[in-house]
Amino acid sequence: QVQLVQSGPEVKKPGASVKVSCKASGYSFTSNDINWVRQAPGQGLEWMGWLNPLSGNTAYSQSFQGRVTMTRDTPKMTAYMELNSLRSEDTAVYFCARAVRFHSSKEFYYYMDVWGEGTTVTVSS
Amino acid sequence: AIRMTQSPSSLSASTGDRVTITCRASQDIATYLVWYQQKPGKAPKVLIYAASTLQSGVPSRFTGGGSGTDFTLTISFLQSEDFATYYCQQYYSNPYTFGQGTKLEIK
Repeated sequence: QVQLVQSGPEVKKPGASVKVSCKASGYSFTSNDINWVRQAPGQGLEWMGWLNPLSGNTAYSQSFQGRVTMTRDTPKMTAYMELNSLRSEDTAVYFCARAVRFHSSKEFYYYMDVWGEGTTVTVSS
Repeated sequence: AIRMTQSPSSLSASTGDRVTITCRASQDIATYLVWYQQKPGKAPKVLIYAASTLQSGVPSRFTGGGSGTDFTLTISFLQSEDFATYYCQQYYSNPYTFGQGTKLEIK
């Protein structure tokens, strides 16, 4: 079945970097964007950006511009999200999600239909 | 960035009730809107995309509507499994912002 499996929890010190992986299975990895969304404890969802696994193209939220890098290893069917210069406010669960994209002259839709289980990143001194 | 504002932030209802959640965009986003449901400790689940298209496998008691800046998610005949937090998200422009969420609780 289609699934995304993420790497395990991380504990980092302020100023450090974290790299979270998201391994896809059950579908053609290069056919769908991978989005990253995070959720701080008790808070709502925050969209971070997307990666096109076929081209390697990315789009990042301005909130993370300069600190986030999304990459992929196509043979391994794995996407990665690296966040640098971590601060306590980056403590959150980080989700990867597959996006469905459709564009015609009449309509355009883009939504996340398969999600990873989430990776908890804790930033603490 | 486009701001998405949901109302109410929380809502109490009983099984069998009909409830409506509203999502307002700070600018015209046509029908570029998605609704997600999230339960505690779980990843979100897509319910509706393109403002009103029901995702495959989602019960028909979920209905989405609206265009431009004002959108609704209606759940008719609430079931116990519907008590969760609901988020809208726009994909009109980067960043693809979410609303702050609406927590639906059992009365």
